[in-house]
Amino acid sequence: DAGITQSPRYKITETGRQVTLMCHQTWSHSYMFWYRQDLGHGLRLIYYSAAADITDKGEVPDGYVVSRSKTENFPLTLESATRSQTSVYFCASSEREQYFGPGTRLTVT
Amino acid sequence: AQSVTQPDIHITVSEGASLELRCNYSYGATPYLFWYVQSPGQGLQLLLKYFSGDTLVQGIKGFEAEFKRSQSSFNLRKPSVHWSDAAEYFCAVGGMNTGFQKLVFGTGTRLLVSP
Repeated sequence: DAGITQSPRYKITETGRQVTLMCHQTWSHSYMFWYRQDLGHGLRLIYYSAAADITDKGEVPDGYVVSRSKTENFPLTLESATRSQTSVYFCASSEREQYFGPGTRLTVT
Repeated sequence: AQSVTQPDIHITVSEGASLELRCNYSYGATPYLFWYVQSPGQGLQLLLKYFSGDTLVQGIKGFEAEFKRSQSSFNLRKPSVHWSDAAEYFCAVGGMNTGFQKLVFGTGTRLLVSP
């Protein structure tokens, strides 16, 4: 089915471990985004990408790494997870309006 | 800096009553405006959007919103709320100042629907 998917949907990891969250879209949208959602903060932009091999920082990029070798995929890596990165992560894609994936709930213990 | 304010953290409305969710924005150029809805455990779904033209825009699920440039507002309305409308609602702004595609989101308003 067409759309935007995220995997895994739930993840528990330990402090210091590397974890990668996957995002895949089938619309061939140029833009893709990663947000984190925390109580009281709404959605905050971590990184975004305007096209394959073009990425840029958002509001809260520290501790995260992204890549975009293919238009349809936009993985987000936490290189050394910290408890403060416990959150719900949303991926979105866009040509004009943004369409969101179902989210990944990440817990760092 | 661009910002969005949703002054109501929670709103409770009786089923069948009308609804208005407030959204005020700060943006230095012509804004693109959006309302999204998030049900528990789900991603955000686009309700409606304003890019230009008619300032009263219609969306899905019977929602509408009115862009008022003089008040920097984009309030969301529904004439008769259904129990299934209980969710969190986010207003967002984008446009030239944020590279068109990037959005700034408000912190959300949680709608509770009482029987």
